[in-house]
This record gives sequence, structure tokens and C-alpha cells, in this order.
Amino acid sequence: AQSVAQPEDQVNVAEGNPLTVKCTYSVSGNPYLFWYVQYPNRGLQFLLKYITGDNLVKGSYGFEAEFNKSQTSFHLKKPSALVSDSALYFCAVRAINTDKLIFGTGTRLQVFP
Amino acid sequence: EAQVTQNPRYLITVTGKKLTVTCSQNMNHEYMSWYRQDPGLGLRQIYYSMNVEVTDKGDVPEGYKVSRKEKRNFPLILESPSPNQTSLYFCASSFSIRGGLLSSTEAFFGQGTRLTVV
Repeated sequence: AQSVAQPEDQVNVAEGNPLTVKCTYSVSGNPYLFWYVQYPNRGLQFLLKYITGDNLVKGSYGFEAEFNKSQTSFHLKKPSALVSDSALYFCAVRAINTDKLIFGTGTRLQVFP
Repeated sequence: EAQVTQNPRYLITVTGKKLTVTCSQNMNHEYMSWYRQDPGLGLRQIYYSMNVEVTDKGDVPEGYKVSRKEKRNFPLILESPSPNQTSLYFCASSFSIRGGLLSSTEAFFGQGTRLTVV
């Protein structure tokens, strides 16, 4: 069965420091992997995706994520956090032969000034 | 502008009073789905539709109905709402992988509907 794990409910980081939000997945075959961000009272916004090719993918707002097949991970990273990055982040996986997205439970990122 | 539009954004209702949450997309997407978001549980799929007149249950379908009479619209119906359906609901749409558009596989989400059933 497909599943996504986000082991941290909350990540706290000081502004200007690098941030990492962790995600591991379980899926049969090659996965499609996604990160979404949810700001208060807003819907989910697409940040980035891995489909194939380079393991390091770059997305919106300076975020990037690294696909690691051996560790079945797709951690979200940013070199220098901003207070405005504070939001709820969701990792999602889509098996190659389906349209269904499976989401993790979300990680709340808090960036302190 | 490409978008998924949900209405209403906020709704308070009483137990047993039928309600419909509308969802419309303007991107000609085949695949549409409804999710509910609850603290600590992430997003769980309620129902999905792979195209017009093709719908199926997701992971938490009990107490919900959907229809897909037109490609752009995918309403969520609660025939007899109960307090345990109090939640934040999202509609989403995407191109189907079966269409071969690998470059456009991300889903687009509506703004959400916060439903309270008292």
C-alpha cells in the first residue's frame, strides 16, 4: 500500500538559517512526489515535484527537494528561511499508474525572527 | 486564470440538513477529487472522479455523495450531515496520467470549505 510519512509535526527554525522538512514514502514502482504548502485560510499551493531525472528539484519561493531512492525520501529544503515561510507543508506521493495522491499528515514550519 | 473554485468558503449547518458544496475547474482536467483535512490526519480522499459519469469511493466515503455530470463540476453532497463531518474540505483537479501529460501531473486545489455541523 502507498503511504507517506512526515515524522515531524512541527519544525522550528530561526530566520536566515537553513530549513529541512522531512518526508519518506512507500510506493510500488517509481513514484511521483510532490510538496504543497498551506497558508492560513488558504488552499494547498503546489511547490515542486519530482517525476524523473535530476534528483534535486527546485520549486517556488526558493524551495528545493532531493529525491533519494535508496532511502525512499523526498526532504524539502531551503538555504535561508524567511518568516513568511511559516505555514503547513504537505508531502504527497502518486504511484506511476494511478491518479490518486496520498498525503502525509503535514508539518508545521515556524520561522522565528 | 487557471483555478478550482469551491463554494461556500464557510458553512454552519444543523444535523440532518442536506447540503451541497460546489466545485468547478476551468482547466479541462479529467481527474477530480474531494478531500477532508483534519488535525493530525492530513488530507484524506473522500471520493474521486476519473471523468464525466465516472466516480468512485476514496478512503473515507461514508456519509458523502458526489456526481460528475459535466467535466468542470464535481459537487460534494452531504445528505444528512452529522457532527463528525465537521472538517475542512478541499476539491482538487488534475490531468489524468492516462492522458500521457507527464509534465502536468500536479493537482490544483480549491480554497477550501470549512464546514461546521451542530
